[in-house]
Amino acid sequence: DIQMTQSPPSVSASVGDRVTITCRASQDINSQLAWYQQIPGKAPKLLIYAASSLASGAPSRFSGSGSGTDFTLIISNLQPEDFATYYCQQTDSFPFTFGQGTNLDIK
Amino acid sequence: QVTLKESGPALVKPTQTLTLTCTFSGFSLSTFGMRVSWLRQPPGKAPEWLGRIDWDGDRFYSTSLKTRLFISKDTSKNQVFLKMTNMDPVDTATYFCARLPPGTGYFDHWGQGALVTVSS
Repeated sequence: DIQMTQSPPSVSASVGDRVTITCRASQDINSQLAWYQQIPGKAPKLLIYAASSLASGAPSRFSGSGSGTDFTLIISNLQPEDFATYYCQQTDSFPFTFGQGTNLDIK
Repeated sequence: QVTLKESGPALVKPTQTLTLTCTFSGFSLSTFGMRVSWLRQPPGKAPEWLGRIDWDGDRFYSTSLKTRLFISKDTSKNQVFLKMTNMDPVDTATYFCARLPPGTGYFDHWGQGALVTVSS
């Protein structure tokens, strides 16, 4: 199975800040990566697919980049509703595996 | 509008079989390429993919759980089912169903989740 490693495990930030979360795959997954946001008690919500494509309904302050094994999610101009846990998921090959998550909380 | 919703028991005893139903709307599982997956998420942990069923009836399962899982569907009722045998307390988790659009590996719509606790 492909292992996905996210960093940092947690990050504190303030409204208006820019935050960067990284995800590394244990092997080349081309651009086959998705990012999700999860608010406690809710289901994950798709933000980014194919590494850099914004999902329908996701705000434009979310952006993704990367290919191969290294990927980045950037959240610009943090809003109060962005404080949540973020997961990456490789979509290249079965089984589709997730990173362990990055918890974004208010500083 | 695409929606999915899981239903089933909130509590099962160790060694029992869990059966969950995913009822969906806004798409058809008879559409070429459409797929529905089951995932679970233990408290405080990342989601884990369990398996999926495809529009043509093909099934795929997590390697580590394949001997305990069976996924089926009733296309006419827009439902997908998960059976998981020999439940153990470590299987305590929120179970989700989610849609995989044709030709993709990402989950674009998820159900709200069903918390299943395994305890005697």
